[in-house]
Amino acid sequence: GAVVSQHPSRVICKSGTSVKIECRSLDFQATTMFWYRQFPKQSLMLMATSNEGSKATYEQGVEKDKFLINHASLTLSTLTVTSAHPEDSSFYICSAREASYEQYFGPGTRLTVT
Amino acid sequence: DQQVKQNSPSLSVQEGRISILNCDYTNSMFDYFLWYKKYPAEGPTFLISISSIKDKNEDGRFTVFLNKSAKHLSLHIVPSQPGDSAVYFCAASENFGNEKLTFGTGTRLTIIP
Repeated sequence: GAVVSQHPSRVICKSGTSVKIECRSLDFQATTMFWYRQFPKQSLMLMATSNEGSKATYEQGVEKDKFLINHASLTLSTLTVTSAHPEDSSFYICSAREASYEQYFGPGTRLTVT
Repeated sequence: DQQVKQNSPSLSVQEGRISILNCDYTNSMFDYFLWYKKYPAEGPTFLISISSIKDKNEDGRFTVFLNKSAKHLSLHIVPSQPGDSAVYFCAASENFGNEKLTFGTGTRLTIIP
């Protein structure tokens, strides 16, 4: 149980375009989903926390207009990187949590902006 | 400001021996700590956790020790197996896990057959 999927696993896009990443909890209802970013050889940095049906809470320094997060259902959250630039290239990982239990992580999405 | 620190970026251990991974934290409000294992290009997998009301938690080959006065925790893996080779992240949160996770920078563990 407790499976979280992400799609796509890899995406390459051109600078200035937008890309959407999906995060799904497959066998539980995720009241809270989290989006992280990991640069090479660095820690996972929390970008934002989203609760189903409400606006996401962004961490300091994360532009909410650039990283659009939607948590429309208890099993799906999406992260849209708008007007992507090469410096947005990173490994994006989502996690999902049911009530106050552990966070379960997705496999991650490698974004490369050319 | 790195609130959770893993000062050893890498560690090599002989198969069958004990692996000890260390983690230090600075935020005294942290009361819940977790260890995750991560393979390349995959998301972290939860290993074991400990609440600040305990000083030890054991699960099979994995044991986590917490020293609150020193703001230090460690993960012991014994015996170490080749499949344990991965990057291990320490994470911490407030409110007994109900708040966001703050991760350390990770330690790459290599088990030598």
